[in-house]
Amino acid sequence: DVKVTQSSRYLVKRTGEKVFLECVQDMDHENMFWYRQDPGLGLRLIYFSYDVKMKEKGDIPEGYSVSREKKERFSLILESASTNQTSMYLCASSPTGRDEQYFGPGTRLTVT
Amino acid sequence: GESVGLHLPTLSVQEGDNSIINCAYSNSASDYFIWYKQESGKGPQFIIDIRSNMDKRQGQRVTVLLNKTVKHLSLQIAATQPGDSAVYFCAEKRPGTALIFGKGTTLSVSS
Repeated sequence: DVKVTQSSRYLVKRTGEKVFLECVQDMDHENMFWYRQDPGLGLRLIYFSYDVKMKEKGDIPEGYSVSREKKERFSLILESASTNQTSMYLCASSPTGRDEQYFGPGTRLTVT
Repeated sequence: GESVGLHLPTLSVQEGDNSIINCAYSNSASDYFIWYKQESGKGPQFIIDIRSNMDKRQGQRVTVLLNKTVKHLSLQIAATQPGDSAVYFCAEKRPGTALIFGKGTTLSVSS
């Protein structure tokens, strides 16, 4: 089975802090994605990556950056956390040539 | 704008009944559709998918139907169980783009 893990299930940070969310997948998938999920808004794509050191902006990249130094790991970075970044963050991966994505358990981030 | 949506935000059924969760999409160029189940506190879990060259696909207790004429997608769950209680999302994909998710339908199963 595909396994996508995220470094934290719950995280509380203060406004202005730099926040790192880590995602690791163990199925050698080329594609990795970061979403945020908010009530009434569904899943929105922040960034994605089709290869190591490659990144593409999604629909809502503002206030976020990403890093993909190794194939199995995709990091989401909040350079200066703000309260409107309080959300559930979901990481996903998929193999090249396939469209289905496999999700991690999510990180619920609260910025106070 | 273009979007993927579900007809009803909530659906309540009795244990043992069949459930039908609906989804409408707006872009006729979409060629791939997928259903996810998300239980409380967990990430979305892949249920079943279908490509636009098919009208129907069956899995274990689940069936996805695609009606391209009216741009409608449905997920049927047979003999619904309490463990099926969750939020169900549909998503569509056009060639060269990422998945676009609907907002979800909450399925509640009472015994």
